[in-house]
Amino acid sequence: AQSVSQHNHHVILSEAASLELGCNYSYGGTVNLFWYVQYPGQHLQLLLKYFSGDPLVKGIKGFEAEFIKSKFSFNLRKPSVQWSDTAEYFCAVNKGIQGAQKLVFGQGTRLTINP
Amino acid sequence: GAVVSQHPSRVICKSGTSVKIECRSLDFQATTMFWYRQFPKQSLMLMATSNEGSKATYEQGVEKDKFLINHASLTLSTLTVTSAHPEDSSFYICSARGVGGNSPLHFGNGTRLTVT
Repeated sequence: AQSVSQHNHHVILSEAASLELGCNYSYGGTVNLFWYVQYPGQHLQLLLKYFSGDPLVKGIKGFEAEFIKSKFSFNLRKPSVQWSDTAEYFCAVNKGIQGAQKLVFGQGTRLTINP
Repeated sequence: GAVVSQHPSRVICKSGTSVKIECRSLDFQATTMFWYRQFPKQSLMLMATSNEGSKATYEQGVEKDKFLINHASLTLSTLTVTSAHPEDSSFYICSARGVGGNSPLHFGNGTRLTVT
C-alpha cells in the first residue's frame, strides 16, 4: 500500500546536536512533500514544503529538508537543535498538482531536546 | 496568520450519544476542510474532505452515517460522531484550505473525544 514512513518514533538529543529525521514515501510520479511540526498543546504548523525546483528546501526556524527522488526520501535536518525544538514532527505527502487535496501523513516523530 | 478554531478541545460523552465538533476558519474563507483522526502514537488518518455547499467525500473505511460532516458555510464545518462507542475515542483534527490552488493548509488544535 502507498504510505509515508517515518522511521524514528522518538528521538532524544542534547542542545546543539545535529538533527536528521527520516521520511520515506512509496508513491510514484509527481509528489508534493511537507514537514509539519506540532509543539506541545498547539496545532500543526507547516515547517517547509517541496513542490518543485531545488531539492534542498529551507524552512522556518533553521530547518531544511532534502528531496532525493531516487530514494523516495525527504529527510528533515537542522544543524544545531534548541530546547524549543521539542515537538512532534510529521512528514506528509500529496500527489499531483500543487495545492492538491489529500495529505497523507507519516506516523510522526517525537523529538525531545534536553537542555 | 490564518487561524482555524476547533471546538471543543476536549469532550467526554456516554456510549450511544452524539457529539458535534466544530471547525471554524477565523480570518479566511475555507473552500475545503479536512477531517483527520489520530490514534495514540499513530499518524493522522484522513477521514473525509468537505467542500462548502456539497457533500463530503469520505475515505475508504469511514462510515459516512456515523461521522456526519456538514460544511454549510465558507467558515464552518462540523463533524458529528453519532451513536458514539468507546472505540470512537480518539483525537480528531480539522484543517482548512483557503481559496486558490496553492493555498496552504491550516490546522485546528484538535478535539480529544473520550466515550465512556
